[in-house]
Amino acid sequence: DGGITQSPKYLFRKEGQNVTLSCEQNLNHDAMYWYRQDPGQGLRLIYYSQIVNDFQKGDIAEGYSVSREKKESFPLTVTSAQKNPTAFYLCASSIDGWNEQFFGPGTRLTVL
Amino acid sequence: EDKVVQSPLSLVVHEGDTVTLNCSYEVTNFRSLLWYKQEKKAPTFLFMLTSSGIEKKSGRLSSILDKKELFSILNITATQTGDSAIYLCAVEARETSYDKVIFGPGTSLSVIP
Repeated sequence: DGGITQSPKYLFRKEGQNVTLSCEQNLNHDAMYWYRQDPGQGLRLIYYSQIVNDFQKGDIAEGYSVSREKKESFPLTVTSAQKNPTAFYLCASSIDGWNEQFFGPGTRLTVL
Repeated sequence: EDKVVQSPLSLVVHEGDTVTLNCSYEVTNFRSLLWYKQEKKAPTFLFMLTSSGIEKKSGRLSSILDKKELFSILNITATQTGDSAIYLCAVEARETSYDKVIFGPGTSLSVIP
C-alpha cells in the first residue's frame, strides 16, 4: 500500500537535546513538507522540499533543520535552539506544488 | 472529487480599499479551512476555521466560515501595498486512513498606491 509514514508516534526528550523525526513516503511524490500544529492553530510550515537535494524554509524554520538526500525521505531535526519544541509534527507529500498534500499520522514531541 | 475554488483569481485595488476574497469547497469529511498568504515562496499561515459563523480577526484581516453553504471569505480592510500577495485557501479533510489538505488556486491581489 502506498502511503506516508512517520515515526515514532510519541517522542519524549530532555531540554537541550537534538531530536530527529522520521518521514518516509512511497507515493513517488516529488514534494515533501513539514508542518507544526499547536492547539487551536492551523498548520504552520517549517520546511519544504520540492525536489531531492533541495529544500526551502517555511514560516517557522528557526531551530529546525532538514535534509532531502532521497526522494522517499525527509527527516526533520528539532535542535536545542528551538525555543518551544513541544508540539505535534506533521509530514506531508504531494506530486508537485501545493495542490493536494497527503499527510502522515504525525509525531507528538514532548520536551521535558 | 474533492475541490477548492477561489474567486476572483486576480484582483487589483487601490490602497485604502476593502477587499473580499472568496473560497468555496466540496470535500468529504471536512475538518478545517485554512487561509494562507503567499508572497515570494512558501505560504504563511493566516487563519484556521472549523466552526460556522465565528469570525477570526487579526489586525485588518478577518475571516468567517459557513459550513452549510460550504464557503469562507477573507476580508482585508484599508489595504496597503504590503498586502499584495497570493491568498491561498486550503481545506483539511479526512480520508479513510490519512488526512489531506487541498489547496485552491489562489487569489492574486495587487494593491497599488
